[in-house]
Amino acid sequence: GQNIDQPTEMTATEGAIVQINCTYQTSGFNGLFWYQQHAGEAPTFLSYNVLDGLEEKGRFSSFLSRSKGYSYLLLKELQMKDSASYLCAVRDNNFNKFYFGSGTKLNVKP
Amino acid sequence: DGGITQSPKYLFRKEGQNVTLSCEQNLNHDAMYWYRQDPGQGLRLIYYSQIVNDFQKGDIAEGYSVSREKKESFPLTVTSAQKNPTAFYLCASSIGSGGTGELFFGEGSRLTVL
Repeated sequence: GQNIDQPTEMTATEGAIVQINCTYQTSGFNGLFWYQQHAGEAPTFLSYNVLDGLEEKGRFSSFLSRSKGYSYLLLKELQMKDSASYLCAVRDNNFNKFYFGSGTKLNVKP
Repeated sequence: DGGITQSPKYLFRKEGQNVTLSCEQNLNHDAMYWYRQDPGQGLRLIYYSQIVNDFQKGDIAEGYSVSREKKESFPLTVTSAQKNPTAFYLCASSIGSGGTGELFFGEGSRLTVL
């Protein structure tokens, strides 16, 4: 089976740094993806990791440890517009199926 | 501009009726997917298709049907057999193989059963 876990909700202050964790147990692995989803809207792609290590993209970074089944998304210099849900997704190596966690709702306060 | 178009954005249905949600993409992607999202839950896979004229059931296919007669189109029918159809439905596509292969999503269709 597939199991992807994320915290349900987090709160952080504007200008601060926040780390959103994701752990996974899947039958196959061919990449881990992070998506941002504002309420009522479609998810948008943020980052992708397939090898261990850190990928940096502006204010957003994502880390992967395949041996630990663990990833995190790091958001720096938080802005109010970063208030959204962040979805962790694993792509399996069979038919390119994507499995999603329940998402972490991030509240950014002034 | 390239992208994925879903319609309608909002849909109301009476119990016992079938409804079809449209999904069209002009990204030239081979793979297409349908997901369902319920409040406080992640995306759950309904059906997916890796190539024209072929599709596979996802984790929650019961009460749904799809077709993939054209590369660009992947409509989803929510049948009366689906016990709890009220949800937000998302269509997505990906290049299928090669590159990052991330999912691109449409704007979603919100179905409410009255």
